[in-house]
Amino acid sequence: NAGVTQTPKFQVLKTGQSMTLQCAQDMNHEYMSWYRQDPGMGLRLIHYSVGAGITDQGEVPNGYNVSRSTTEDFPLRLLSAAPSQTSVYFCASRGGLLAGAKNIQYFGAGTRLSVL
Amino acid sequence: GDSVTQMEGPVTLSEEAFLTINCTYTATGYPSLFWYVQYPGEGLQLLLKATKADDKGSNKGFEATYRKETTSFHLEKGSVQVSDSAVYFCALLSGGSYIPTFGRGTSLIVHP
Repeated sequence: NAGVTQTPKFQVLKTGQSMTLQCAQDMNHEYMSWYRQDPGMGLRLIHYSVGAGITDQGEVPNGYNVSRSTTEDFPLRLLSAAPSQTSVYFCASRGGLLAGAKNIQYFGAGTRLSVL
Repeated sequence: GDSVTQMEGPVTLSEEAFLTINCTYTATGYPSLFWYVQYPGEGLQLLLKATKADDKGSNKGFEATYRKETTSFHLEKGSVQVSDSAVYFCALLSGGSYIPTFGRGTSLIVHP
């Protein structure tokens, strides 16, 4: 049981480049979310999904897109990278009522992104 | 809306010292409360949780009691170790919410 898997672990981009951060979970969880973590700012919610085909914006959605075509995968797309998007990104998942959840949020190990 | 307030860090302690990290919350109804821990270079992982008033969550020597009257969930450990050095996040999940609300995190540094 791998839990929540994020790839890549590290990435360096140039301003204006686009890329996709991958996130996959193997726990059949309904809810998935993306956060960014910056020094002194805690975790800030970017986007989240409550099931395949359903996504919504979080606190800081600008510059990011998501989609949820399957229960397992929830990729985060940076459309045109900016230095302000330099951060550590975490994907998380949580089971809903149908999964007999215990309300625990499971996190991936993170993607460390630098935009030059 | 829901919110979680944690004490500012870093908290710096010597090994075997007593630890308290304060957490207070604002929420409607009766949320579930959590402490997550983030070790250097890793993602967050659940440390302990409590789902109703007066419940005590415990794990790895850490404890926290759900205090509804003071809307608090303070984290304590009687004797910290160097390996406890990490960032600790308090969080809540209200009934009907999809996403937990997290505090800003408190960094703990334990010196030998």
